[in-house]
Amino acid sequence: DQQVKQNSPSLSVQEGRISILNCDYTNSMFDYFLWYKKYPAEGPTFLISISSIKDKNEDGRFTVFLNKSAKHLSLHIVPSQPGDSAVYFCAASGTGANNLFFGTGTRLTVIP
Amino acid sequence: DSGVTQTPKHLITATGQRVTLRCSPRSGDLSVYWYQQSLDQGLQFLIQYYNGEERAKGNILERFSAQQFPDLHSELNLSSLELGDSALYFCASRRASGADTQYFGPGTRLTVL
Repeated sequence: DQQVKQNSPSLSVQEGRISILNCDYTNSMFDYFLWYKKYPAEGPTFLISISSIKDKNEDGRFTVFLNKSAKHLSLHIVPSQPGDSAVYFCAASGTGANNLFFGTGTRLTVIP
Repeated sequence: DSGVTQTPKHLITATGQRVTLRCSPRSGDLSVYWYQQSLDQGLQFLIQYYNGEERAKGNILERFSAQQFPDLHSELNLSSLELGDSALYFCASRRASGADTQYFGPGTRLTVL
């Protein structure tokens, strides 16, 4: 049972434009959400996170939005750069949980 | 560089064999997590150790086991290997227990022939 879903396996965006990666979750007990970026032959790298008490968190070019009622979060990258090309994983956890639940990832390609 | 190291980077073995994957967490981190990523799948949580003790179990097969040593490094043992065990195995670490930001190693790619 996939509790965290990323329904778009891939996304292509022109350099300089906005990339929007989406993630849905089913477990209403999740209260902490993270995005990881993964390059080939490397482990996932933490990018940005958001707690359920917020609806937005920003870090430079990266902004994560959380819509608790829709059980949906998104990652916005503005402006997109070719170096952003990677697989992006959404992850979630809940109070008392000891592990993260990951989505299946979205491969972002930023075209120069 | 996350500070988490994993060895070996690649491992090729045959069905029925047993292998050991090793992970050294970031300096000062007490928790170690193991994840499996099969082709086109997300990362599946296997098991967590905190300061030498098993803290949580996920979708870990009975053929798999893990331990964390006094120096906090961890080993994941995979036995009676099957073709379907071919995957990337990641280790992650965190200062304490719980499930927020974890820092991942580069992974071990296991190929079972």
